[in-house]
Amino acid sequence: GAGVSQSPRYKVAKRGQDVALRCDPISGHVSLFWYQQALGQGPEFLTYFQNEAQLDKSGLPSDRFFAERPEGSVSTLKIQRTQQEDSAVYLCASSNPRAGVTNTGELFFGEGSRLTVL
Amino acid sequence: DAKTTQPPSMDCAEGRAANLPCNHSTISGNEYVYWYRQIHSQGPQYIIHGLKNNETNEMASLIITEDRKSSTLILPHATLRDTAVYYCIVTSGANNLFFGTGTRLTVIP
Repeated sequence: GAGVSQSPRYKVAKRGQDVALRCDPISGHVSLFWYQQALGQGPEFLTYFQNEAQLDKSGLPSDRFFAERPEGSVSTLKIQRTQQEDSAVYLCASSNPRAGVTNTGELFFGEGSRLTVL
Repeated sequence: DAKTTQPPSMDCAEGRAANLPCNHSTISGNEYVYWYRQIHSQGPQYIIHGLKNNETNEMASLIITEDRKSSTLILPHATLRDTAVYYCIVTSGANNLFFGTGTRLTVIP
């Protein structure tokens, strides 16, 4: 497809279950981002990849959150032992910084994966 | 990155111009102003960005004051589909955009 694709769109998990959320970025995009959006709040940064390298994971709220992008394209966000406070929409975005352009804040977002932990 | 201040909500009549303000008094010289919007149940959508000059594209215009401490996003002829939360973001790089809570714009028929 032409845009960022995320799956599943909706996930209901029982507290303590592990979940995996998938992101297919726009083909060829080097940079990939994960954001978390709680109800009524703006998106909050979780982590950033450039190709397969995870360059910033400062936003991951705990060691239960893990993200990977092993081949530099598809990414998976994994949440272990889910808790109710993990309920949120998880947004993935990608971008393709152009050579010589220092400011690259134009991100393309997917529609998100809504996680509800019961 | 510098933080921004936006009104929590605004209304605009359909067909009129929507002017959304943003204060960023602590912006530094290498920081850009970005605007995104988020329509209900969708991911954020990039609108426009600028450094110090006014910018215009097919979606909107961005007016940045000379001292760069504030800016205004202008939607020239608002439609019902422009109802969304609008985020003003100041950043020197894309790795960690701080969205805040934005302005909820409601376009009224």
